[in-house]
Amino acid sequence: DQQVKQNSPSLSVQEGRISILNCDYTNSMFDYFLWYKKYPAEGPTFLISISSIKDKNEDGRFTVFLNKSAKHLSLHIVPSQPGDSAVYFCAASANSGAGSYQLTFGKGTKLSVIP
Amino acid sequence: DVKVTQSSRYLVKRTGEKVFLECVQDMDHENMFWYRQDPGLGLRLIYFSYDVKMKEKGDIPEGYSVSREKKERFSLILESASTNQTSMYLCASSSYRVPHEQYFGPGTRLTVT
Repeated sequence: DQQVKQNSPSLSVQEGRISILNCDYTNSMFDYFLWYKKYPAEGPTFLISISSIKDKNEDGRFTVFLNKSAKHLSLHIVPSQPGDSAVYFCAASANSGAGSYQLTFGKGTKLSVIP
Repeated sequence: DVKVTQSSRYLVKRTGEKVFLECVQDMDHENMFWYRQDPGLGLRLIYFSYDVKMKEKGDIPEGYSVSREKKERFSLILESASTNQTSMYLCASSSYRVPHEQYFGPGTRLTVT
């Protein structure tokens, strides 16, 4: 049972336009959501996060929106740049006890920004 | 800057061999994690540890074990490697203060022949 779903395996966007990456989740216990970016042959790097008590978090060109009623979040990148081309993973966490938070990842969306 | 290092970037082992993957973090993080990444499957959690000598099973622990004797080091062990364990293995760490944000190492590409 996939608890975090990224239904688009890939996305192509023109440089300068907006990139919108989507993520759906099924587990109501998730209380924190994150986006990671991964280049080939590198580990994922943390990009931006949002707590379940908020509906928006912004950091420079990156904004994450959370719609709890729809169990949906999205990452907006404006404007998109060629260096943004990477695989983006959506992740969600719930307190697993003892202060440790497991992350459940989606399968990823490969973003290609075309110059 | 948090630094998570993994002992090898690329590793080739034979079926049945015992394999050790080492991970070291330098930020005094309490939590450490082992994932594997496969095409079309994303990142899947194998094991995690929230303290020295503590370990918890993740989603796919079968065929793996772990060891955490020191806070900064978390080892993944394949007792008898099989071809279906060919994968990219990623180690991560996080702190109690900001437990959600995990920092990843560069990964080890393991091929079992």
